Amino acid sequence: QVQLQESGPGLVKPSETLSLTCTVSGGFISTYYWSWIRQPAGKGLEWIGRIYISGSTNYNPSLKRRVTMSVDTSKNQFSLKLSSVTAADTAVYFCARVPTGGDSFDIWGQGTMVTVSS
Amino acid sequence: DIQMTQSPSSLSASVGDRVTITCRASQGISNSLAWYQQKPGKAPELLLYAASRLQSGVPSRFSGSGSGTDYTLTISSLQPEDFATYYCQQYYNTPLTFGQGTKLEIK
Repeated sequence: QVQLQESGPGLVKPSETLSLTCTVSGGFISTYYWSWIRQPAGKGLEWIGRIYISGSTNYNPSLKRRVTMSVDTSKNQFSLKLSSVTAADTAVYFCARVPTGGDSFDIWGQGTMVTVSS
Repeated sequence: DIQMTQSPSSLSASVGDRVTITCRASQGISNSLAWYQQKPGKAPELLLYAASRLQSGVPSRFSGSGSGTDYTLTISSLQPEDFATYYCQQYYNTPLTFGQGTKLEIK
């Protein structure tokens, strides 16, 4: 079955750019939207944005000016870049699949913890 | 942004109990609502979508209902594995938004 796996540095310095990749296995990345969601420790879930295989994106306005998402269909991967990070960006970052017909999230990666600290 | 408010924030119950969690949207969302279960250290898992449609593989003791701005998640008979945190999420508009969560604990 389809599985998602996040990868990237677990520690990022303030003001630098957080970069994460989500690898899709067991299926093709095509025909779906893909999202990033984050969760600070002990807190709730925040949607960061989504991307389609065409490269079309939608970002949360609260993060829009710092977020860039991209997709590499040849590698079955999609990526997140978040610039000018601060301690407030410390969180577990999840990638997730958006099923056809509605923007819920039916398959999630296990999540990766990213700490912003010098 | 559409604000999602869950109640209660926490709930104590016993195995076998019937429990209901409520989610209220700040505007009508036309059943564009999903429910998730999250256990500590794990990713959320989709339970229901379109307010009342059970995700494949989810036990039938989970059900959802509602319309307009008000929605509920019901667990008909709590099992030990159901003690977790539950989140609602609207997908009527972007940005997609979640409720703050309801922590279901063992009494």
